Amino acid sequence: GENVEQHPSTLSVQEGDSAVIKCTYSDSASNYFPWYKQELGKGPQLIIDIRSNVGEKKDQRIAVTLNKTAKHFSLHITETQPEDSAVYFCAAQGGYQKVTFGTGTKLQVIP
Amino acid sequence: DAGITQSPRHKVTETGTPVTLRCHQTENHRYMYWYRQDPGHGLRLIHYSYGVKDTDKGEVSDGYSVSRSKTEDFLLTLESATSSQTSVYFCAIRRTSGPGGNEQFFGPGTRLTVL
Repeated sequence: GENVEQHPSTLSVQEGDSAVIKCTYSDSASNYFPWYKQELGKGPQLIIDIRSNVGEKKDQRIAVTLNKTAKHFSLHITETQPEDSAVYFCAAQGGYQKVTFGTGTKLQVIP
Repeated sequence: DAGITQSPRHKVTETGTPVTLRCHQTENHRYMYWYRQDPGHGLRLIHYSYGVKDTDKGEVSDGYSVSRSKTEDFLLTLESATSSQTSVYFCAIRRTSGPGGNEQFFGPGTRLTVL
């Protein structure tokens, strides 16, 4: 089955700096890659996603890149703000709707 | 929030007792999922459903069963709870319409403690 690895597990940045979280996947059939943000005590919330026919997607301060050949994708957050502090999960989806999640990155933005 | 509620939100039970968690959705989505979340493991799929009475196993299905007799309700049952099933359980739906068609949306979670 699919295996998704996510790094780093924790990340601290100064407010205003950029944050990058990286994931790799194993199944070349995976074709959809969502990113989720989870705040304390809440369920994960979809923040951005990318499909395998696209190399990059941007939404305001967040962007995701995908390298299908290398089987890795990354989340980029620019101009970080304290409210960006949360746990972020990457995921890969391939056959029959099954989504495999990474183990999460705890992002701390220091004011 | 895609109209997803979970009940109960918190439960403490004893080893060997049966437990049922409920997921309810208001938007008639066909696909529903149960995940568990544990430190160091992220979210792992327990079971999923692709329609009324249509269910299948995920990667960590041992010790769990599910039922879906109505579109809006997806039940997760622990027949005989064990301490290893202490976790936070999330229900999710998959939205199949709209520009994406793949997005999963999660409920608020149920924190289960098995003593």
